[in-house]
Amino acid sequence: AQTVTQSQPEMSVQEAETVTLSCTYDTSENNYYLFWYKQPPSRQMILVIRQEAYKQQNATENRFSVNFQKAAKSFSLKISDSQLGDTAMYFCAFCLDSFGNEKLTFGTGTRLTIIP
Amino acid sequence: GAVVSQHPSRVICKSGTSVKIECRSLDFQATTMFWYRQFPKQSLMLMATSNEGSKATYEQGVEKDKFLINHASLTLSTLTVTSAHPEDSSFYICSASTGDFGNTIYFGEGSWLTVV
Repeated sequence: AQTVTQSQPEMSVQEAETVTLSCTYDTSENNYYLFWYKQPPSRQMILVIRQEAYKQQNATENRFSVNFQKAAKSFSLKISDSQLGDTAMYFCAFCLDSFGNEKLTFGTGTRLTIIP
Repeated sequence: GAVVSQHPSRVICKSGTSVKIECRSLDFQATTMFWYRQFPKQSLMLMATSNEGSKATYEQGVEKDKFLINHASLTLSTLTVTSAHPEDSSFYICSASTGDFGNTIYFGEGSWLTVV
């Protein structure tokens, strides 16, 4: 079974600074997908970024980028130039299937607060 | 883009009654949908995988007779909480995949259930 671990329950950072959220996972599979989801107070799950395990290049989406270390089974999220709207719970997630027909396994989450 | 709609967003019901939550994929067909439950300040826990035209697959520890899942069409899955008790009060959220390669998964807005 796959497991996802987020070791930082809470983090805070000053607005405009850079913050990195950690995530490690455990699997014996070679092909899989990794995700970072943002959950603001509205509780809507918002996809931040996605990484295919077979791609060596780290995914980036504007201010969001990941550091994917497959051998170390590490998948950290870097938020640059943090904004007040980035305040939310962030969940790291893992999925085996390429077509979305398998479940997502979530980490326990990191509560990120951006301080004005 | 693809949207998943969940209804109702909030519901209050009396102990012993049943309540139904709907999850609809608005502009795509979803052969597989997932139902998650989220307790306050915790992560999303998968309850069951809903498969169109067949029985749902429940996670270990989830009572299938209490949490009835029906995936009657390619755009609609329903979760019925039967004989609800206060401990069933929680945030329930569904997700669906477009089925395209690349694992595009969309979440509903979630439903708050309060059993009084």
